[in-house]
Amino acid sequence: EPEVTQTPSHQVTQMGQEVILRCVPISNHLYFYWYRQILGQKVEFLVSFYNNEISEKSEIFDDQFSVERPDGSNFTLKIRSTKLEDSAMYFCASRADFSRVFFGQGTRLTVV
Amino acid sequence: DAKTTQPPSMDCAEGRAANLPCNHSTISGNEYVYWYRQIHSQGPQYIIHGLKNNETNEMASLIITEDRKSSTLILPHATLRDTAVYYCIVRAPRGETSGSRLTFGEGTQLTVNP
Repeated sequence: EPEVTQTPSHQVTQMGQEVILRCVPISNHLYFYWYRQILGQKVEFLVSFYNNEISEKSEIFDDQFSVERPDGSNFTLKIRSTKLEDSAMYFCASRADFSRVFFGQGTRLTVV
Repeated sequence: DAKTTQPPSMDCAEGRAANLPCNHSTISGNEYVYWYRQIHSQGPQYIIHGLKNNETNEMASLIITEDRKSSTLILPHATLRDTAVYYCIVRAPRGETSGSRLTFGEGTQLTVNP
């Protein structure tokens, strides 16, 4: 079965540092997403991306966050100046149509 | 998207059928019912979805009531690896320019016991 691949699996960063989380969506998919899950809490939507632009974002996705599809395969989430409360699992996802969304295994971000 | 209500937890014996209920009494005519699961902080995994007819695939069956106000996910022969949080999500198909986010609730923690 096709997979969404995320790297790294675990990232530790110091507060105030920039971090980039990387994802390789499934190759023929057109819609891309980032979600996050703080430990013990619900999975929360951050942003969706289609046709090289953000199509929807949540209130969590403030100016500290940005997304990019720098080439035909990668999809990245950048956090400019990390805060302790950014510590969470970050999930990338993609889909080809509206029926099924495929999620990656996540990057655990720890801000110290 | 319509709100869903699920029991917080359920237990099931290994090898038996697990029946997970979901209420979505405010569902609209064009909204689909989706089920995802999350095994111990891994990425959510799609299970099945349906509009009004019952659906079956290799993982599970989805039974939607005639009035569409509730549904049941059935895992016919639960195994220990089915222990996970199961999410029922109601969502309408969106156009190409809309993000069509998935809104996850608390879900049901299913524990399959040996």
